[in-house]
Amino acid sequence: RKEVEQDPGPFNVPEGATVAFNCTYSNSASQSFFWYRQDCRKEPKLLMSVYSSGNEDGRFTAQLNRASQYISLLIRDSKLSDSATYLCVVNPNTGNQFYFGTGTSLTVIP
Amino acid sequence: DAGVIQSPRHEVTEMGQEVTLRCKPISGHNSLFWYRQTMMRGLELLIYFNNNVPIDDSGMPEDRFSAKMPNASFSTLKIQPSEPRDSAVYFCASSSTWYSNQPQHFGDGTRLSIL
Repeated sequence: RKEVEQDPGPFNVPEGATVAFNCTYSNSASQSFFWYRQDCRKEPKLLMSVYSSGNEDGRFTAQLNRASQYISLLIRDSKLSDSATYLCVVNPNTGNQFYFGTGTSLTVIP
Repeated sequence: DAGVIQSPRHEVTEMGQEVTLRCKPISGHNSLFWYRQTMMRGLELLIYFNNNVPIDDSGMPEDRFSAKMPNASFSTLKIQPSEPRDSAVYFCASSSTWYSNQPQHFGDGTRLSIL
């Protein structure tokens, strides 16, 4: 079983739509969670950390469900510039290993 | 603030040649990671170091690949001899274990093409 699993998509949504991605992880002892964004031919960039109580950054909301071992990312009022691949990342905090999902592709359509 | 610095940005070379990729982590970070990314296989962890010591190199494809971290501010990834299937984007990333919940920060990557 993979450490982190994501639906690869693609998700094609119109501008202004709300879209949500989920990501499941296998290690119940995992402590740190992140969402990264990767544009075509660029490096992954940190979008936001995911905190136990959930957190919001503008149009982006991240949630953690420890009981079901998944994290989610909600994007409201989608913009064309949100088109990218979104990667979920889990750090079990043992040895500082980071496990990346395969990424979910999002295209926002005019 | 300076981020992770990788060089070269692009490398094109013929198969059989030695390739050396370089990385300077963010100052103060004590973990360094080398990744390879291709369309077919996605992002793969090759090796990572904590405090300049290799912790997990199980992702290194074969003996042709080697990585070193002689000090806290420099790491190299070498491929010798290189093969066309090594063509990929190689990313270096760094993070800190001094505090909890610290993310990784990536360099711009080296786009490697082996002809």
